[in-house]
Amino acid sequence: GQNIDQPTEMTATEGAIVQINCTYQTSGFNGLFWYQQHAGEAPTFLSYNVLDGLEEKGRFSSFLSRSKGYSYLLLKELQMKDSASYLCAVRNYGQNFVFGPGTRLSVLP
Amino acid sequence: EAGVTQFPSHSVIEKGQTVTLRCDPISGHDNLYWYRRVMGKEIKFLLHFVKESKQDESGMPNNRFLAERTGGTYSTLKVQPAELEDSGVYFCASSPARDRLSYNEQFFGPGTRLTVL
Repeated sequence: GQNIDQPTEMTATEGAIVQINCTYQTSGFNGLFWYQQHAGEAPTFLSYNVLDGLEEKGRFSSFLSRSKGYSYLLLKELQMKDSASYLCAVRNYGQNFVFGPGTRLSVLP
Repeated sequence: EAGVTQFPSHSVIEKGQTVTLRCDPISGHDNLYWYRRVMGKEIKFLLHFVKESKQDESGMPNNRFLAERTGGTYSTLKVQPAELEDSGVYFCASSPARDRLSYNEQFFGPGTRLTVL
């Protein structure tokens, strides 16, 4: 079976750092993606990991451990506009994505 | 460059009616995917086109759903007849032909919100 878990909701304060965890069990693995989705809008690509380790992209970083089936997305210097849902998705060998339920992040002033 | 577009943005129909959703991928993208999110659940894969061919349709829930991509450009997803449980947001995504040097990420459209009454 395929299963991806993320916390449903998180709250953090403007300027702070937040880590969103994702654990996965999938029948195939061809990369892990993080997407950001604001309400009513298209999911937009944030980061990609296929090898173990940390990928940094400005205020966003993503980490992957394939042996543990674990990833996290780290958001630094939080801004109000970062309030959104964050989707963890595993790409399988067929190229389609298996999505987690998404984590709704609320950034408070 | 225009992103992935979907039409309509919202559709409200009665049970038993037919609805056709349209997706226009990014120009030149060979891969086109349909996903949907039903209330309270995660986004789930429906099917994958490579150009005009169905590469993987393992996620299609039943034969009331028909997807086409004639000419390998835009795609339609028809639901006939619609049932209450078909309500949700239908997303389309596209990606270019596989390239070892890029992430091959999928670019998503804003979705069509379908409500079946």
